[in-house]
Amino acid sequence: EIVLTQSPDTLSVSPGERATLSCRASQSVSSNFLAWYQQKPGQAPRLLIHTASDRGTATPDRFSGSGSGTDFTLTINRVDPEDFAVYYCQQYGSSPRTFGQGTRLDFK
Amino acid sequence: EVPLLESGGGLVQPGGSLRLSCAASGFTFSSYAMTWVRQSPGKGLEWVASISGRGDVTEYADSVQGRFTISRDNSKNTVFLQMSSLRVEDTALYFCAKDSLLYVGRAYHSRWGQGTLVAVSS
Repeated sequence: EIVLTQSPDTLSVSPGERATLSCRASQSVSSNFLAWYQQKPGQAPRLLIHTASDRGTATPDRFSGSGSGTDFTLTINRVDPEDFAVYYCQQYGSSPRTFGQGTRLDFK
Repeated sequence: EVPLLESGGGLVQPGGSLRLSCAASGFTFSSYAMTWVRQSPGKGLEWVASISGRGDVTEYADSVQGRFTISRDNSKNTVFLQMSSLRVEDTALYFCAKDSLLYVGRAYHSRWGQGTLVAVSS
């Protein structure tokens, strides 16, 4: 099973700043099948990024994904107040599909 | 948005059973695999089970293998999760999710329902 470790656990930023979230895999993620999801309190997760860098159809372009192999990054340029949430990475290249523990983005 | 509406959650004693349902609309249901993901209170996300679009292939997490059964009725656009021999550690919010492919695995979850809460306690 591939273990995903996200860092930091909590990231505090001010609106308008850039946020960089990391996701490291215990082994290489096949075909870079790595997704990022956003979850706000009391809501379901929402797909942001798939295949490491492809935005979902409703994902604003301030969100970008990068990386390959074992190291992946989600970058939020010019954080908007609506972006404060928990972010999870997930690998879906190997079974079982596994999630990271999440990074909470909160207001500085 | 593609609605996915879960139901069937509730309070059950350890060792009991529960059947969750997820009604889908707005897309060709039989063309996509479906997945159940759970989230324990205050915790992260855990993949539970998946079923192919045709219903002929299923996969389970080790933690539920042999106790949970995923199934689907494509005539009713509904996916089910039959949960038996429930344990306290199965307490969680259970989300239904639409996969990005017809087949099980190697797919991300493109849409999620709002979840249904399962509490296992004596």
